[in-house]
Amino acid sequence: EPEVTQTPSHQVTQMGQEVILRCVPISNHLYFYWYRQILGQKVEFLVSFYNNEISEKSEIFDDQFSVERPDGSNFTLKIRSTKLEDSAMYFCASSNTGGRTFFGQGTRLTVV
Amino acid sequence: GESVGLHLPTLSVQEGDNSIINCAYSNSASDYFIWYKQESGKGPQFIIDIRSNMDKRQGQRVTVLLNKTVKHLSLQIAATQPGDSAVYFCAEVNFGNEKLTFGTGTRLTIIP
Repeated sequence: EPEVTQTPSHQVTQMGQEVILRCVPISNHLYFYWYRQILGQKVEFLVSFYNNEISEKSEIFDDQFSVERPDGSNFTLKIRSTKLEDSAMYFCASSNTGGRTFFGQGTRLTVV
Repeated sequence: GESVGLHLPTLSVQEGDNSIINCAYSNSASDYFIWYKQESGKGPQFIIDIRSNMDKRQGQRVTVLLNKTVKHLSLQIAATQPGDSAVYFCAEVNFGNEKLTFGTGTRLTIIP
């Protein structure tokens, strides 16, 4: 069964450093997303990406965040200068129009 | 504002019994709803979905009911098993932006 894969599973970084979280969405999907989940809280939408551009972003997704689809398979989330409050699980997801959204297993980001 | 919320934060059910998890939503324009299961340290796992033009949908051991009059969604799990222990989230989708709005989650514990 096709799945969304994410790497790394755990990333520890120092405050102020840049991190790149990587995802391979399901191959025939058209919509790509990043969500995050702070420990013990609900899953929050960050950004959606369609047709090689951002289609929607939340207020969390400020200038420190960016997304890229560098080739036909990868989808990345970059945080330029990490803050302590960026510590969370980051989930990549993908879907087709009007279809089911599938999530990866997540990257646990710890900012120290 | 728009919100998706859950009535009960925790639910304990005897193994073999049926469980019902409830969800209230406030956006009457939502087109589509999904139930996800999340085990500790893992990503949300798709369980079942339902479109707004339907009242009921059945899967394997799971049934989702949608009551648009009172904006209520429920997930029924039949003959619960220990592996059903997890946090369950409902999420709503508006076609056009495709993003998910998650509720806060219900923790289901199956008692052996």
